[in-house]
Amino acid sequence: GESVGLHLPTLSVQEGDNSIINCAYSNSASDYFIWYKQESGKGPQFIIDIRSNMDKRQGQRVTVLLNKTVKHLSLQIAATQPGDSAVYFCAENTLRNRDDKIIFGKGTRLHILP
Amino acid sequence: EPEVTQTPSHQVTQMGQEVILRCVPISNHLYFYWYRQILGQKVEFLVSFYNNEISEKSEIFDDQFSVERPDGSNFTLKIRSTKLEDSAMYFCASESYHPRESQETQYFGPGTRLLVL
Repeated sequence: GESVGLHLPTLSVQEGDNSIINCAYSNSASDYFIWYKQESGKGPQFIIDIRSNMDKRQGQRVTVLLNKTVKHLSLQIAATQPGDSAVYFCAENTLRNRDDKIIFGKGTRLHILP
Repeated sequence: EPEVTQTPSHQVTQMGQEVILRCVPISNHLYFYWYRQILGQKVEFLVSFYNNEISEKSEIFDDQFSVERPDGSNFTLKIRSTKLEDSAMYFCASESYHPRESQETQYFGPGTRLLVL
């Protein structure tokens, strides 16, 4: 069944502000989480990932936070730019046998306002 | 930068017809995947492929679907008799290492938009 989901379908943020996109998961055994960005008409683009033995991971302008206690994942985008407008998916990488299929959440559409 | 490519970008077909969606994974990758995304919905796993055989398939991947790696570069998804509900974006993805061994992750192609009439 569904194990990954997002709290809000749409988020509007002023250009230059920080944005936070939230995600909840249900599978306590999940050990790998990824954030993908999908622009209109394109495939999911890897942004950042985090393993379950970490609480925080930082990239360029992005930070992922993992709270295993409440099974919550968030993506923080600093100083948002117009190019950040897209749908953001949190995803779980299920590691079993040789397979590592990705289970996607439904996505949050981020609008960057001028 | 290496990337996954897919052809065609758009495909329109009549219900009941066969379609083949093509993917060229990143050259040194060993694990291959197909996903689909119905308009406005989340991306769904279809099948994973490693060492010339299917590793895992979802409930969506029924007998009408098949995958093949006919040569060293292409990875295809065939739908034998398309249904209206097969209309979706189909994404190919590839990966070089198993996540147990590295931080590598799956890289997605741009997708093929399939419309079944």
